[in-house]
Amino acid sequence: GAVVSQHPSRVICKSGTSVKIECRSLDFQATTMFWYRQFPKKSLMLMATSNEGSKATYEQGVEKDKFLINHASLTLSTLTVTSAHPEDSSFYICSARLRGLSNQPQHFGDGTRLSIL
Amino acid sequence: GQNIDQPTEMTATEGAIVQINCTYQTSGFNGLFWYQQHAGEAPTFLSYNVLDGLEEKGRFSSFLSRSKGYSYLLLKELQMKDSASYLCAVRDADSSYKLIFGSGTRLLVRP
Repeated sequence: GAVVSQHPSRVICKSGTSVKIECRSLDFQATTMFWYRQFPKKSLMLMATSNEGSKATYEQGVEKDKFLINHASLTLSTLTVTSAHPEDSSFYICSARLRGLSNQPQHFGDGTRLSIL
Repeated sequence: GQNIDQPTEMTATEGAIVQINCTYQTSGFNGLFWYQQHAGEAPTFLSYNVLDGLEEKGRFSSFLSRSKGYSYLLLKELQMKDSASYLCAVRDADSSYKLIFGSGTRLLVRP
């Protein structure tokens, strides 16, 4: 079964709207979650690393004021796309890693398809 | 810089064997992962290699050579449902556990 839940799965909204996406780890605590963006037929691009109780670490070129990340608990991280515009339309995916052995993979949520009109 | 290369597309026949290669040049290395991703869905974990050699898991095997910066994913007894993108990802050597993904290989399995 799924170990990471992402919601909503699809969002269609007008330009200028802010959109919040939730990522929850199910049945385990995730001190670190990751947010990715994926364009059609392209690979996953890491946007930021979300750390519970502290500020997120953003990858180069990702606007932290545009993509607000909050990791307020050990099971929930949120990504808010502020004042979204058509160029923000994309597939956003979160992942979380079980703590413990180094061979633990990242488990991905089902993704959120964001369409800005 | 970080660079991970995979073929863009491959085609194979149902029941056959296919090998998907991945070469990497990264500033650090702490393991290599293979994921499968069907169109419009999230990636699912297939395999992990951190030491040189072959890891076998059912119809799927993955090989790693750290000295050559090279890995491959081997799929045996191909099934139609294996048509998907296969992503090679290298984990950075720092403590963040973040992954650097290749561009992915789209595999088409034909009858």
